Amino acid sequence: EVQVVESGGGLVQPGRSLRLSCAASGFTFDDYAMHWVRQAPGKGLEWVAGISWNSGSMAYVDSVKGRFTISRDNAKNSLYLQMNGLRAEDTALYYCVKEGPSEFFDYWGQGTLVTVSS
Amino acid sequence: DIQMTQSPSSLSASVGDRVTITCRANQSISTFLNWYQQNPGKAPKLLIYAASSLQSGVPSRFSGSGSGTDFTLTISSLQPEDFATYYCQQSYSTLTWTFGHGTKVEVK
Repeated sequence: EVQVVESGGGLVQPGRSLRLSCAASGFTFDDYAMHWVRQAPGKGLEWVAGISWNSGSMAYVDSVKGRFTISRDNAKNSLYLQMNGLRAEDTALYYCVKEGPSEFFDYWGQGTLVTVSS
Repeated sequence: DIQMTQSPSSLSASVGDRVTITCRANQSISTFLNWYQQNPGKAPKLLIYAASSLQSGVPSRFSGSGSGTDFTLTISSLQPEDFATYYCQQSYSTLTWTFGHGTKVEVK
């Protein structure tokens, strides 16, 4: 059974850092690109960052460029999101998402909540 | 950047109704268009990929169509479990996939 499980969320002050992790199982992790998608309270879905299967390519939404870094460790079947310089507008539920074989998201975690507030 | 515009932002319907949601891209995305359903407090679920392909396990009352810039999600006969929020998503730009703002389907 495919599973992706996020961790690392919490309450953090503006300007501070947080690192999210995602543990994947049930599939060949290094065969697939992975992504982070977030959802602010009561709002829609926002794609945040994506990384190719071999870490050769990464991409970010403009609002997090230069502050967030996506990475993966294929030996550990894990995905990460290093978030620096956090802002109130980064408050959201962050989902770890597996990319499917044909350019779609086929498996989502349950999310980890990040709250940026003083 | 590719922007996705969904309409309407919300709609009211009754069980048994035919429901149509549209999604428009600001440039051609061929058929790189997916649809997701999200119920409150749950993670999104893939319904349709590549504009018109039904994900395994999704009821056949859901269908998708379109190509280029204009796309449609249709629910042929709305069921109680279909009251949810629906999102379109483009996957044309490698690794940079944007969502529409969502359409909330509510009980009339």
